[in-house]
Amino acid sequence: DAKTTQPTSMDCAEGRAANLPCNHSTISGNEYVYWYRQIHSQGPQYIIHGLKNNETNEMASLIITEDRKSSTLILPHATLRDTAVYYCIVSTNRDDKIIFGKGTRLHILP
Amino acid sequence: NAGVMQNPRHLVRRRGQEARLRCSPMKGHSHVYWYRQLPEEGLKFMVYLQKENIIDESGMPKERFSAEFPKEGPSILRIQQVVRGDSAAYFCASSQKRGVTWNTEAFFGQGTRLTVV
Repeated sequence: DAKTTQPTSMDCAEGRAANLPCNHSTISGNEYVYWYRQIHSQGPQYIIHGLKNNETNEMASLIITEDRKSSTLILPHATLRDTAVYYCIVSTNRDDKIIFGKGTRLHILP
Repeated sequence: NAGVMQNPRHLVRRRGQEARLRCSPMKGHSHVYWYRQLPEEGLKFMVYLQKENIIDESGMPKERFSAEFPKEGPSILRIQQVVRGDSAAYFCASSQKRGVTWNTEAFFGQGTRLTVV
């Protein structure tokens, strides 16, 4: 019962913007979109979340389409340290736990 | 403000021994989550606890595994009679309030790598 669909892997050149897509066509009106990442062997790291409006913080920007069926995480100037698995997560009936899917393995190329 | 602290970072146990993994949540956080990550696999939810209560243990194996989060002190994930298949990274996360997918974010520790020999 996948709530989100992400590409398995992506490449991005160092210094360029990394745009990671996520489809969540069955999202409900009160469900948030969350992004986490896991750098190799480390604990997952919260990046950003949003409901309807686009969001920006010191790490990334989150662009949510008007119909909320998809979103894009943008890392504006990717560095080698951004190489990680990125997880897009949508809540399930206000679940109290994060269920991780397979995510997108992002490779930043020098 | 220290982050989520897990110890030990690495733990080696012989088959049949007990493993105790500790997690100290961030200051002010009363919600703790445990995850397991087998080698080259994804993160699997195990259990969600609040102080002195297990809220959701739907991901916990029925035998040998237990978790607690006492009123004072860290949360403990206990694995009895470990087997080689228990070798994995175990991550703990904490949040300040309920709703880690609709209201707040979770902060993860660096994990405990358990190796069963």
